[in-house]
Amino acid sequence: AQKITQTQPGMFVQEKEAVTLDCTYDTSDPSYGLFWYKQPSSGEMIFLIYQGSYDQQNATEGRYSLNFQKARKSANLVISASQLGDSAMYFCAMRASNDYKLSFGAGTTVTVRA
Amino acid sequence: NAGVTQTPKFQVLKTGQSMTLQCAQDMNHEYMSWYRQDPGMGLRLIHYSVGAGITDQGEVPNGYNVSRSTTEDFPLRLLSAAPSQTSVYFCASGYSGGRDEQYFGPGTRLTVT
Repeated sequence: AQKITQTQPGMFVQEKEAVTLDCTYDTSDPSYGLFWYKQPSSGEMIFLIYQGSYDQQNATEGRYSLNFQKARKSANLVISASQLGDSAMYFCAMRASNDYKLSFGAGTTVTVRA
Repeated sequence: NAGVTQTPKFQVLKTGQSMTLQCAQDMNHEYMSWYRQDPGMGLRLIHYSVGAGITDQGEVPNGYNVSRSTTEDFPLRLLSAAPSQTSVYFCASGYSGGRDEQYFGPGTRLTVT
């Protein structure tokens, strides 16, 4: 079984600053993937970034980067140069590489202040 | 390419009523799933399917039924609605595991009174 923990229910960040969203996980699978999704107030789920457990480098996608520390079982999302449009709920999720099913954390709400 | 579509967007039911939430995808994805989203609990898997004719239970399957007669459609049936089923329901689809993301529908907000 997999467990995802997001310990920050809500965060405030000033526009143009960076923010780090914490995600820790627990799994017995030797190969797995970690995903981050964004859910704005309109409700849709938007895929942001993926990290494979055997990837040599931390994933980056534009202003999003993933601070992956495998030994600590953490996969923190870093949003650089925050924009007002980044205000949303962010979910960390994972699945085993040979599986389809995603397990989600409880989410972190980010509010960007002007 | 419409992606993943869900109907209805909003629904109010009385306790004991039954209904079907519709989900369709036009990306020829083999995998489809249903999640429910409740405050403070993230998304929890209800049922999933790895292909037409194949379904299985997720984390919270009680009170829900699914079938997958075609690759495109994956309806979720509420057999006898209960207030505890008040939630936002998301359908998702994707290819096989690994790096492939899952694509989510816009969600259905269900209230059971």
